[in-house]
Amino acid sequence: GAVVSQHPSWVICKSGTSVKIECRSLDFQATTMFWYRQFPKQSLMLMATSNEGSKATYEQGVEKDKFLINHASLTLSTLTVTSAHPEDSSFYICSAIPYGQEGQPQHFGDGTRLSIL
Amino acid sequence: QKEVEQDPGPLSVPEGAIVSLNCTYSNSAFQYFMWYRQYSRKGPELLMYTYSSGNKEDGRFTAQVDKSSKYISLFIRDSQPSDSATYLCAMNAGTASKLTFGTGTRLQVTL
Repeated sequence: GAVVSQHPSWVICKSGTSVKIECRSLDFQATTMFWYRQFPKQSLMLMATSNEGSKATYEQGVEKDKFLINHASLTLSTLTVTSAHPEDSSFYICSAIPYGQEGQPQHFGDGTRLSIL
Repeated sequence: QKEVEQDPGPLSVPEGAIVSLNCTYSNSAFQYFMWYRQYSRKGPELLMYTYSSGNKEDGRFTAQVDKSSKYISLFIRDSQPSDSATYLCAMNAGTASKLTFGTGTRLQVTL
């Protein structure tokens, strides 16, 4: 149980385009989802906390107009990287906590590898 | 000083060895402690989850938490080549659920 699915798993696009990444909880509902960014051989860096039905909470230094987060349902959160540039190339990972289990472990998706040419 | 310190390795051990992975932390508010395993280009997979101090065992894995020393450990018995991955410790205070991760330790189990 507690499966989190991310789509796409890998995307390559030209500089200046916008890219949307989906994060779905497949067998549970999640009022809270998290978005992380991971550079090669580094740990996960929290970008934002996504709350269903409300605005996301961004970590210091993360541009909210650059990384748009929408959490429109209890099973889906999306991250849109707007006007992506090569420095946005990274591994983006989402996680979710089953509804009613705040404080319990986060369950992670398999990540999306974003390459901007 | 980072909130969570973890030796990045790499750590190379022969198959069948006992592996010890460790993290130290500075925030006494942390109550929940997790170990995740991450294979290359994959998301982290939850291995162990403990609350407060104590030990927890699950198959070949044992997690230990010593809150008085702010020190947590993960032991892997009878290590296998399939255990080769990066192991991340993570912790939070519980109420906010925001995880703080260690840098991860790369483990290589050789035949």
